[in-house]
Amino acid sequence: EVQLVESGGGLVKPGGSLRLSCAASGFTFSSYTMTWVRRAPGKGLEWVSSISRSSSYIYYADSVKGRFTISRDNAKNSLYLQMNSLRAEDTAVFYCARDRGSGSYYSDAFDIWGQGTLVTVSS
Amino acid sequence: DIQMTQSPSTLSASVGDRVTITCRASQSISSWLAWYQQKPGRAPNLLIYKASSLESGVPSRFSGSGSGTEFTLTISSLQPDDFATYYCQQYNSYSPAFGQGTKVESK
Repeated sequence: EVQLVESGGGLVKPGGSLRLSCAASGFTFSSYTMTWVRRAPGKGLEWVSSISRSSSYIYYADSVKGRFTISRDNAKNSLYLQMNSLRAEDTAVFYCARDRGSGSYYSDAFDIWGQGTLVTVSS
Repeated sequence: DIQMTQSPSTLSASVGDRVTITCRASQSISSWLAWYQQKPGRAPNLLIYKASSLESGVPSRFSGSGSGTEFTLTISSLQPDDFATYYCQQYNSYSPAFGQGTKVESK
């Protein structure tokens, strides 16, 4: 079964750090660009960051640039998001998602999603 | 950045109704548009990609149309399982962006 499972969420104080992980199974992880998307309470979906198959290309939303770092380990079928200098407005459910693989030159639709992990930034 | 605007924000409908949701892009995105359904506490589910292509396993009552800057998602006959929030997403830039969502609720 194709599956993504996130972990690493929790409660953290403003200015703190957290590292999210996403474990992939059921497909050839190294063949897909992977993405993090978040949804803040009461708000809509927001794209956070994407990383290409071999980590050669990495993109960030302006709202997290300089604070978050996306990475992957193809040998471990895992995607990561290191989040530093966290703010209250980063409170959200974070989803990892698989790029569908048939998108535009720039980005893609997301066909497989994890169940999400909640990050709460509060003092 | 390309901005996506959905309308309406909330839609009240009954089982069996034909439902249409609109999504507008701030600039042309060709046909690089996807639609998702999200239910409370669940991950989003891809319904439509490339504006009008139905994702595998998605019921045929869902359809998408449009190109350039204006797009629609249509549910031909609303079913009880379809009450949810729907999002459009453009993927014609390095910063893919979602619309703000349309909640389909029971009238």
